[in-house]
Amino acid sequence: QSVLTQPPSVSAAPGQKVTISCSGGSSNIGINYVSWYQQLPGTAPQLFIYDNTKRPSGIPDRFSGSKSGTSATLGITGLQTGDEADYYCGTWDNSLSAWVFGGGTKLTVL
Amino acid sequence: EVQLMESGGGFVQPGGSLRLSCAASGLTFSSYAMNWVRQAPGKGLEWVSHISGAGGTTYYADSVKGRFTISRDNSKNTVYLQMNSLRAEDTAIYYCAKIDTTVRYFEYWGQGTLVTVSS
Repeated sequence: QSVLTQPPSVSAAPGQKVTISCSGGSSNIGINYVSWYQQLPGTAPQLFIYDNTKRPSGIPDRFSGSKSGTSATLGITGLQTGDEADYYCGTWDNSLSAWVFGGGTKLTVL
Repeated sequence: EVQLMESGGGFVQPGGSLRLSCAASGLTFSSYAMNWVRQAPGKGLEWVSHISGAGGTTYYADSVKGRFTISRDNSKNTVYLQMNSLRAEDTAIYYCAKIDTTVRYFEYWGQGTLVTVSS
C-alpha cells in the first residue's frame, strides 16, 4: 500500500486532456514539494515535473503540475500516443523520514 | 551530461548477499545526495535508501532497514548498496538516482540493474 494514492489507470483520446491525481497527507504533500516521473515501457523513470509546477528543460508545456493542500495533480493536454506511460508522483515524508511514491498511474491514449 | 551507470545485479539465493554499484559522471559528485529506488516486476517504484553528499546522513525504507547499507566513495564518484539477508521480495530492478541541489526531487536516474532472489 503506497503512502501516496494515485488512480491505477486513466485514458483519453488523442488530442484530449487528462488529469492524474496524487493524494497524500500532512506529513508529505502537505508540507513538501511534489515531483512527477514518467516511465515509458521498459525504461527508467524520467523527471517530468518538479517543485509542484515546474518543468525540466525539454518537457513540453502540454504537461503541467499543481498542488493544493495534501493533493497534487498532473495535467496533460493535447494527448499523443507517445504519452502512453506510467506516471508516478513523489515527495519526502517528514514523519517517515523517507521518500514516498504513489502507486503509479497507467495512461492509455485510445 | 550527467550519467549514472548501475552494476552488480544478478541471481542470488535467499539469504545471500549482493553489492550494487552506481558510477556517476558529468557532475560534482560529492555535492549531491544519491538514492536507490527499486521496482519489482510489474509493480511501482519503491524508494530504498538515501545518502547525503558527504555520506554522513543515511535513510532507509523500513523494508530493508538492518539488511541493506548504502555508502559512497566520492573519490571514485560511486555509490554502493550492500544487500544482505536477501529475500524473494527483494527481487527488482534497482535504480540509482541523483537528488537535486535543493533535495526536493530525483533529477537523474540510471538505467537500472536487475536483482533476482530465488532458490
